[in-house]
Amino acid sequence: GAVVSQHPSRVICKSGTSVKIECRSLDFQATTMFWYRQFPKQSLMLMATSNEGSKATYEQGVEKDKFLINHASLTLSTLTVTSAHPEDSSFYICSAILRDRRLSAGGNEQFFGPGTRLTVL
Amino acid sequence: GQSLEQPSEVTAVEGAIVQINCTYQTSGFYGLSWYQQHDGGAPTFLSYNALDGLEETGRFSSFLSRSDSYGYLLLQELQMKDSASYFCAVRDQRGSTLGRLYFGRGTQLTVWP
Repeated sequence: GAVVSQHPSRVICKSGTSVKIECRSLDFQATTMFWYRQFPKQSLMLMATSNEGSKATYEQGVEKDKFLINHASLTLSTLTVTSAHPEDSSFYICSAILRDRRLSAGGNEQFFGPGTRLTVL
Repeated sequence: GQSLEQPSEVTAVEGAIVQINCTYQTSGFYGLSWYQQHDGGAPTFLSYNALDGLEETGRFSSFLSRSDSYGYLLLQELQMKDSASYFCAVRDQRGSTLGRLYFGRGTQLTVWP
């Protein structure tokens, strides 16, 4: 099946620093990747849609200058949390859509990474 | 905007049947999906309904009624490993951002022995 990886799985940083999270599709090409944020016991909140070679589309209320997204290739998207603060501490999850949707089965066309736990001190 | 409602918690015993309901209000609709998430893990796809009716996949079934903006996930023969959070999600196909998913708040299912 389609596998999505994220790195790092866990990061602890000081307030004011920037953190980069990588999302990779390991065995398929992804036209589109999504970034979600999830607070404890809460829902996954869509932050932005990342398309290879173009600017990301951010959801309402998400600061694009704070959450920088770069989708440099069909297998890699990065999310950089700039000048992180404690309120940015969360679980960040990416997902990817198969470029060749014929490979999708039963409506499962969005594959999730294992998530990155960010803690800002 | 998007709004999905589902119960926050459900408990049941092993071997029982549980139904988790989801109602939605969305500006666009292109199918209702269900995901399972264990603590600290990634969401795992369970099922998808684009059309009205029941979809069955092993112990899990999902139902959709588009006229009622309603769906449910049915879990049968519950096992301890089914204890997890279950999310309904609506696919919102608008413009070029195909495949965007909007999630409900999740239902925490606890299965007791």
